[in-house]
Amino acid sequence: QQPVQSPQAVILREGEDAVINCSSSKALYSVHWYRQKHGEAPIFLMILLKGGEQKGHDKISAPFNEKKQQSSLYLTASQLSYSGTYFCGTRSGGGADGLTFGKGTHLIIQP
Amino acid sequence: DGGITQSPKYLFRKEGQNVTLSCEQNLNHDAMYWYRQDPGQGLRLIYYSQIVNDFQKGDIAEGYSVSREKKESFPLTVTSAQKNPTAFYLCASSTPGKREQYFGPGTRLTVT
Repeated sequence: QQPVQSPQAVILREGEDAVINCSSSKALYSVHWYRQKHGEAPIFLMILLKGGEQKGHDKISAPFNEKKQQSSLYLTASQLSYSGTYFCGTRSGGGADGLTFGKGTHLIIQP
Repeated sequence: DGGITQSPKYLFRKEGQNVTLSCEQNLNHDAMYWYRQDPGQGLRLIYYSQIVNDFQKGDIAEGYSVSREKKESFPLTVTSAQKNPTAFYLCASSTPGKREQYFGPGTRLTVT
């Protein structure tokens, strides 16, 4: 089942903080965050694994609430380059199955 | 440099023709994936392969076929049975620990 992302879109000024949410009705093993610029491929940002392990960029945090099957992506002191569409992808098992993606959150950072 | 390559970047075909999209990786990844993205939508899984000569259907496999004869290559064929083939097609591969997936640049297919 497809994870639900919120908000659908957000507009911020440079330097402001952003929070993007991802929730699933299924038990999750991992949550993956990507950013996509228009016409380009998604870029890997972070992976969060059941049990607390995570890997990703220093300026981005994304806690994984295993009880609620939710993750929130926190972007602090946003820069113009942060603009794009953010997707969360989820996996219920620990194998190499494909990801199930949400519909995305459009983030626009204005000067 | 290691990476995932997809070719061509843009592809145009007439309705009723089969077309094969290329995906090659030199990252020594075992698992490879094909996703489809429609305008304003998220990515949907078409097929994936965890090992050579083995692959599994994803959520929207109808009208598509794949092969995995080499670890480095995972071509996708869009057949004439696919009713709405126009889309952005993305190939991905997964690290040896089968965790994070990395995407190739994508192929934008237009069928008229």
